This record gives sequence, C-alpha cells and structure tokens, in this order.
Amino acid sequence: NAGVTQTPKFRVLKTGQSMTLLCAQDMNHEYMYWYRQDPGMGLRLIHYSVGEGTTAKGEVPDGYNVSRLKKQNFLLGLESAAPSQTSVYFCASSPPPGFGGYTFGSGTRLTVV
Amino acid sequence: AQSVTQPDIHITVSEGASLELRCNYSYGATPYLFWYVQSPGQGLQLLLKYFSGDTLVQGIKGFEAEFKRSQSSFNLRKPSVHWSDAAEYFCAVGAEDSSYKLIFGSGTRLLVRP
Repeated sequence: NAGVTQTPKFRVLKTGQSMTLLCAQDMNHEYMYWYRQDPGMGLRLIHYSVGEGTTAKGEVPDGYNVSRLKKQNFLLGLESAAPSQTSVYFCASSPPPGFGGYTFGSGTRLTVV
Repeated sequence: AQSVTQPDIHITVSEGASLELRCNYSYGATPYLFWYVQSPGQGLQLLLKYFSGDTLVQGIKGFEAEFKRSQSSFNLRKPSVHWSDAAEYFCAVGAEDSSYKLIFGSGTRLLVRP
C-alpha cells in the first residue's frame, strides 16, 4: 500500500550509541518531516526537508542529523544517543503547495537506557 | 509565534453522550487548521481540516469542527460518542512560512465510560 514506511518500529539503545531511522515514501512527495512525540507535549518538529538534497532545522534539532539524498527517503540520525531522546518518532510527507496530502508513518519507539 | 493550545489534558464522557474538545490557536492570517486522532500505539489519522470557506467542517467518523475567528478557536465536536472513539486527539495549525510544517497542540486524551 502507498504511504510512509518507518523502520525500525522499535529500538533500544545504550547511551552513547548511534543509530539511523529510515523514512520512505512512495507518493513522490516533495516535503518530508521528522517529529518526536513525548507525553503531554504533542508532536514537535525535529528537522524537515522541502526537496531532495535540502534539509532544515525544526523546533528541537539538537542531537539529531538528517539527510535527504533521495527524494523518497528521509533519514534521521542520532550520533550519540542520550536518555532524553527516548521518544516516539514520526515521519510525515506532503506534496506542495499545501497541507492537503499530509501523511504520517506509524512511528518508531526508541528507548535509550 | 504560532501556537496551539488544547486546554484539556483528559476528558471523560459516557458512551452516547456528546463531545466537544477545545482548541485555540495563535496565528497572524487565515489559518490552516487540522484535527488528528491517535489510537494507542498507532500513528496519526486526519479527522478533518479547515482551509477556507464554510466555517463548519465535516470529517470522518462523524466528527465536525467549527472555526471561529473571533475566538481563535477550532473546537472538535461529535454528537454521540462511541467506545471506539477513545484515543488521543491533536489539534494542529499549518505554519505561515513555506515549510508547510504542522504545529501541534499537546493533545487531549478522551476516555469513554460504558
């Protein structure tokens, strides 16, 4: 089925380890986003991309890096994981010029111990 | 700066009762407004959206929302709640810049009594 696929779905990391979360969309969307969800705080934007080869910082970018080498993929990296990065991560994509086709992935639950 | 406030962290209603979830936004121009629902362990599903035009918008699952510019509100309503509506509900506003990012409220968790 067409949509946004996130891998992995669950992961436990030790403090200081690194990992990459993959977001893949098959809808040819230009815009892609990474959000984190924490209890009582809603979803907060980490980084986003408005097209292949472009990335920009969102509300809470510290400790994360991203890459958009291919239009369909948006990678979120944690270079040195910290317990504060324990969260549920959601990827979303959207076609320009507006918000009509915003689609979310099913999330990645990350625990840093 | 744009922001969204959902003043109720939890709401409990009886099955069959009516529901209203509150959402207030801060925005300079005509906003793009959304309501999403998240069932436990699931991603976000769009319930409805407002871009312009009729201020009362209909969504899926029998939900509706009314845009009131004078009150900066976009409250979600349902006339009769079903047990399956128990979930977390998020209001969001679209950013005023070219990023088309969404700015979310903190969410309201709905509990449904049998």
